[in-house]
Amino acid sequence: KQEVTQIPAALSVPEGENLVLNCSFTDSAIYNLQWFRQDPGKGLTSLLLIQSSQREQTSGRLNASLDKSSGRSTLYIAASQPGDSATYLCAVTTIGGGSRLTFGEGTQLTVNP
Amino acid sequence: GAVVSQHPSRVICKSGTSVKIECRSLDFQATTMFWYRQFPKQSLMLMATSNEGSKATYEQGVEKDKFLINHASLTLSTLTVTSAHPEDSSFYICSASSGTGDFQPQHFGDGTRLSIL
Repeated sequence: KQEVTQIPAALSVPEGENLVLNCSFTDSAIYNLQWFRQDPGKGLTSLLLIQSSQREQTSGRLNASLDKSSGRSTLYIAASQPGDSATYLCAVTTIGGGSRLTFGEGTQLTVNP
Repeated sequence: GAVVSQHPSRVICKSGTSVKIECRSLDFQATTMFWYRQFPKQSLMLMATSNEGSKATYEQGVEKDKFLINHASLTLSTLTVTSAHPEDSSFYICSASSGTGDFQPQHFGDGTRLSIL
């Protein structure tokens, strides 16, 4: 059974700092890995999707890496801003699981002005 | 594109009431819809997967008679929490995907905060 873990559970940083969020998964047989953002009381916004054959994806100040063999991914946020404050969720789609997403518990990020 | 609308956004009701939550895909045909439950500071847990025109597939431990799912059209799925009790209070989120196959992107609604008094 696929399990996804995210570290840290919460992170508070001053504005402008670069930061890294970590995600690990137990079953490396994945189709892809996604990073989502969730604002309080809201649904999910997809940030980045990395296919199993890819090593990284970039979008603006965000960069996500994937090391499938070791079951790890990182989300790097450059020059953090208060508007980046949210919960960041990592999710994988496992081979044989159809379109099912298995989520981590998220990292709650606070960027202080 | 790929907008999913979920209604209501918040509902407060008395114990024993049945509550219906709607999930609509506004600009695409959703062959598959997913229903998730999220407790405070926890991750999303998949409750069930529904394909248009067929019965929903429930995850282990989810009572299908408690959480009734209907996916009668390609743009609408409903989740009915029957005889709701305080322990059913949670944040419910739906997602929808089009097409079939091993992976189709899921597009998420904004969730429904259910509070049972």
